[in-house]
Amino acid sequence: GAVVSQHPSWVICKSGTSVKIECRSLDFQATTMFWYRQFPKQSLMLMATSNEGSKATYEQGVEKDKFLINHASLTLSTLTVTSAHPEDSSFYICSARGFGRDEQYFGPGTRLTVT
Amino acid sequence: QKEVEQNSGPLSVPEGAIASLNCTYSDRVSQSFFWYRQYSGKSPELIMSIYSNGDKEDGRFTAQLNKASQYVSLLIRDSQPSDSATYLCAVNILDSGAGSYQLTFGKGTKLSVIP
Repeated sequence: GAVVSQHPSWVICKSGTSVKIECRSLDFQATTMFWYRQFPKQSLMLMATSNEGSKATYEQGVEKDKFLINHASLTLSTLTVTSAHPEDSSFYICSARGFGRDEQYFGPGTRLTVT
Repeated sequence: QKEVEQNSGPLSVPEGAIASLNCTYSDRVSQSFFWYRQYSGKSPELIMSIYSNGDKEDGRFTAQLNKASQYVSLLIRDSQPSDSATYLCAVNILDSGAGSYQLTFGKGTKLSVIP
C-alpha cells in the first residue's frame, strides 16, 4: 500500500516553455501533498505544501507565480514550472500524506532538464 | 528554530558489521519519528517509523527512540553493500505559524558498506 506515482519520470524542455508534473496517490486519499526539489548531492528542499481544495503554501524564497501548484482532488496534485530556465533543472519529488497520518510517501521523482 | 540534526557522514562500515545512524531533534513535544532511505538518483523510501520510547525491530533494522534525550537512531545489522545509501531522519515538529505538525527532515547521513 501507500503508492505514489509521478509523471513524467523525466522531461527535457526548452528555455521559456512550461512543464507540468503530475503526482498521484494510487491507493490512498492524500489530504496533503508536498513538492520538493533536490539538486545533485544536496538535501531535499521543500518547495510547497498543498491541501486538497486549498491554495498551496510556499516556502520562503520559492516563487509561487513560477511554480504553480494545483491539488484539485484527493489523489492528484500538479506542479507547473512556468517559463522554465536552465537553473530550474533539478529533480522534483512529490510526497503525499493521508488523513490523520504523519508519515509521507514519496513519488519516484521527475528529472527536469531545461536546455 | 525547530531542527533535525544528523551527521552528514560518510559513514563507512565493512560488510556484515552493524551500522549505527543517529539523529537529534529540538522539539520536545514531537511524537512521530521516521527513517527514510534514499539511493543515489532516487526518491526517499520510508523504511521505519517509531512512536514510543525504546526499540522497534523490523528485519535487520532497529529504530531506537529516547524522547528524554531527544534522539532517535537506526541500527542496521549484518550490513550489506546494497544498504549503501543516504538515510534521512524525519521528525514531526509543530509549526506554530501554521498551527499544525510538519514532517521535518534532517540532511541525511551517507552510509557506505564496504565489501
